[in-house]
This record gives sequence, structure tokens and C-alpha cells, in this order.
Amino acid sequence: AQKITQTQPGMFVQEKEAVTLDCTYDTSDPSYGLFWYKQPSSGEMIFLIYQGSYDQQNATEGRYSLNFQKARKSANLVISASQLGDSAMYFCAMREGPGGYQKVTFGTGTKLQVIP
Amino acid sequence: DAGVTQSPTHLIKTRGQQVTLRCSPKSGHDTVSWYQQALGQGPQFIFQYYEEEERQRGNFPDRFSGHQFPNYSSELNVNALLLGDSALYLCASSLSRDGNTEAFFGQGTRLTVV
Repeated sequence: AQKITQTQPGMFVQEKEAVTLDCTYDTSDPSYGLFWYKQPSSGEMIFLIYQGSYDQQNATEGRYSLNFQKARKSANLVISASQLGDSAMYFCAMREGPGGYQKVTFGTGTKLQVIP
Repeated sequence: DAGVTQSPTHLIKTRGQQVTLRCSPKSGHDTVSWYQQALGQGPQFIFQYYEEEERQRGNFPDRFSGHQFPNYSSELNVNALLLGDSALYLCASSLSRDGNTEAFFGQGTRLTVV
């Protein structure tokens, strides 16, 4: 079974609109963390947001928010007020295990294109 | 404050050769993880180093080995290169004390095996 599933290979959004990128995960470990990264065409992986499995509130970082639904095992990224510079690949990732003993699994990514 | 730096940025090697990639973590970070990203794919976890020891390993053969130095910098070594090893190799650093809740990536090393 896939640990991280991103079902949207590509998405389009109008500039200034909000967009939701889907991510579901699978783990039996009670301690885990969920990440979203942005990868522009330059290749660098840019950290956007993190949600811990024990965090009570959904994480937010500026225009990014993570819609964490633990029972459904989903961790969707919401980008508000899209900008042209948001066009990139977006990866959802999961860290399993506590402390220094961790393994991170990435999804296959969603290519977001912002239309003027 | 320098972020994660990787060297070299690009590399071309011949099948069967050996390669060493280098990574300097973000200042203050003590954990280094390496990933392989094939074209059009998500990064695949190779291994993670903490306190100069390999703590976790992904599903990669023993041809892939690494090292972490006392200054937390790290090397990734790949022996007996195969054409399929051609990929972008990414290094990420984080702070174990903070539960590695935020990992910073370098620009990557693009390895081409011919």
C-alpha cells in the first residue's frame, strides 16, 4: 500500500483564487508528522508547512494551511490567494517514528499551474 | 546564515564508476537525510544520519553508503554506478531536538550516468 497518496497529477487555479491539494496517508505509527514541500523548476525543495500527529489545531503558515483530518488520514494543503509564483510541483511527505529514528516518505506530487 | 549546501551541482559519470556527493547542513542542524529523485517522481528516502551514525535506511542496495562527520556534514557514496542511478540527489538537514519538524533541502546534485 502507498504510504502517501496524491491523486491529482496536475491542477489549474486562477490567480487570486484558493486551491486545495489533496494528500492521504497510511501509517500504524501513532507518532508521525506530515509535511508539504514546493519544488519549482529549479529543483530546490522548499518547506511550506508541518503538522504533527498530536497537534490539536491545523497548521497555518501565511497563505498556506493544512487541513488535517486524522480519522480520515488526510492532510490537504490549502493555498489561499494564489499567485503566479505558486506554479510548481507540490509534494506531501510523512515522517514516521519519534526522535532521531525517522523515515520520510514522499508522494508522487501535484503540478500546480496558476493562470493569470 | 547559509542554508543547506550541496556539491557538486552537476556530475556526469560512466557506468561502473564510483561517486561521492557532499552536503553541508544548515547551521545548527544535526541530522542529515539523503534522497534520490528520479525524473518525474517524488524523492525516495535513502538514509538518515544523526550523531555520525546511520539511523534509518530506505530500500536502497549496499552500493549506497554514507558518512557523517563531527561537524555534521555528510557524504553520499555510490559504487558500481548503474544507468538507473541517474537522478537528482537531495540532501536535507533538520534538528533532532525539535523532532525534525522542519527540514531544509539543498539545491541537489544532478547525477547523470552514461
